[in-house]
Amino acid sequence: DAGITQSPRHKVTETGTPVTLRCHQTENHRYMYWYRQDPGHGLRLIHYSYGVKDTDKGEVSDGYSVSRSKTEDFLLTLESATSSQTSVYFCAISESREGTDTQYFGPGTRLTVL
Amino acid sequence: AQSVTQPDIHITVSEGASLELRCNYSYGATPYLFWYVQSPGQGLQLLLKYFSGDTLVQGIKGFEAEFKRSQSSFNLRKPSVHWSDAAEYFCAVGASYNTDKLIFGTGTRLQVFP
Repeated sequence: DAGITQSPRHKVTETGTPVTLRCHQTENHRYMYWYRQDPGHGLRLIHYSYGVKDTDKGEVSDGYSVSRSKTEDFLLTLESATSSQTSVYFCAISESREGTDTQYFGPGTRLTVL
Repeated sequence: AQSVTQPDIHITVSEGASLELRCNYSYGATPYLFWYVQSPGQGLQLLLKYFSGDTLVQGIKGFEAEFKRSQSSFNLRKPSVHWSDAAEYFCAVGASYNTDKLIFGTGTRLQVFP
């Protein structure tokens, strides 16, 4: 299994509070991704990173920001959480950006916004 | 724009029976196709992938998938299902040039009866 951990694994928060989710990898892969998983939608890309301090938006980036100060860590921040951001969040990594490359997924973080 | 359709939301089979999970894609060029499995409470694990060459692809855990360009399909099969195969299965289509264009289907939940 790829060395990917996510923290916390579960979190319950209130609307309007800031939330930060962490993804940590031990594989030294250059590319990291944040997805959210919702019933009926599969997985949708929020943001991704192609190197330290290099990030870009995905399909559903509104309301989210990311940061990557070290190769191994990719943070996802909800500046002011809303109930629509209740979801399961997955981090993924890949060695390259080539379409043939495999994305490896972390165990996920279940976030509930009340 | 690329898209993936998994027509079956939920499938139930008996242990030992054969299995086929359907996946149809829409993509302008030759697609890169993936099948992932997600066990309850876990992240996604890659079962197999197709880029080119032999249209019948072998994966882990005894799964295989066949790429049929004429039908825009990439169906997943297993000749004899085990109770441990109960999980959610996701088909995904990607672009050749970058991994941030990976699009997931909405998933098929497989239930296995003894």
